[in-house]
Amino acid sequence: DAGVIQSPRHEVTEMGQEVTLRCKPISGHDYLFWYRQTMMRGLELLIYFNNNVPIDDSGMPEDRFSAKMPNASFSTLKIQPSEPRDSAVYFCASSLWSSGANEQYFGPGTRLTVT
Amino acid sequence: LAKTTQPISMDSYEGQEVNITCSHNNIATNDYITWYQQFPSQGPRFIIQGYKTKVTNEVASLFIPADRKSSTLSLPRVSLSDTAVYYCLVGDRGSQGNLIFGKGTKLSVKP
Repeated sequence: DAGVIQSPRHEVTEMGQEVTLRCKPISGHDYLFWYRQTMMRGLELLIYFNNNVPIDDSGMPEDRFSAKMPNASFSTLKIQPSEPRDSAVYFCASSLWSSGANEQYFGPGTRLTVT
Repeated sequence: LAKTTQPISMDSYEGQEVNITCSHNNIATNDYITWYQQFPSQGPRFIIQGYKTKVTNEVASLFIPADRKSSTLSLPRVSLSDTAVYYCLVGDRGSQGNLIFGKGTKLSVKP
């Protein structure tokens, strides 16, 4: 398996623009997570899905952030409008509940810079 | 959710054994202890998970005392490539979205 795939790997945009981050989880995994990592706040969980259904979005900073999972093999995280404070590395991860382990597989991340 | 406390940073030299201790005083009966490793510019990677006593795999060992209020990740004979951030998490098996990564311990291995 190719692992969790994220695109783009780097994104530079101007304040006010819409940003869409994409994720393809590992085939067969039933959980998908979106995290944000900054030096100040560390690794924060934004939202996670189980079988394509959002379970907990309490980590989403505000209404400018939205996430969707239209099918088992694709998810998006959208920021509209983007702000400089959104600059961070965004990770997508997936896992398989039946494995019984708290083992999440992370993608390479998308480094977002908002100027 | 059980909160964990671990050192912000640690230094070591190549070939030494490194032990990183994590405190989790209010761990629940159903909680497991999980450790992740994160290299620069990469996402975290699962290392090991345990409930009590000792767990060993090809990467590390995890020591958990009887009261389970702490745990120690042991890395045998570290090399420069073990330089990374190590996260200790607690949560019930399969808790998935309830895992909190925190700031982790930044391990620097020197030649």
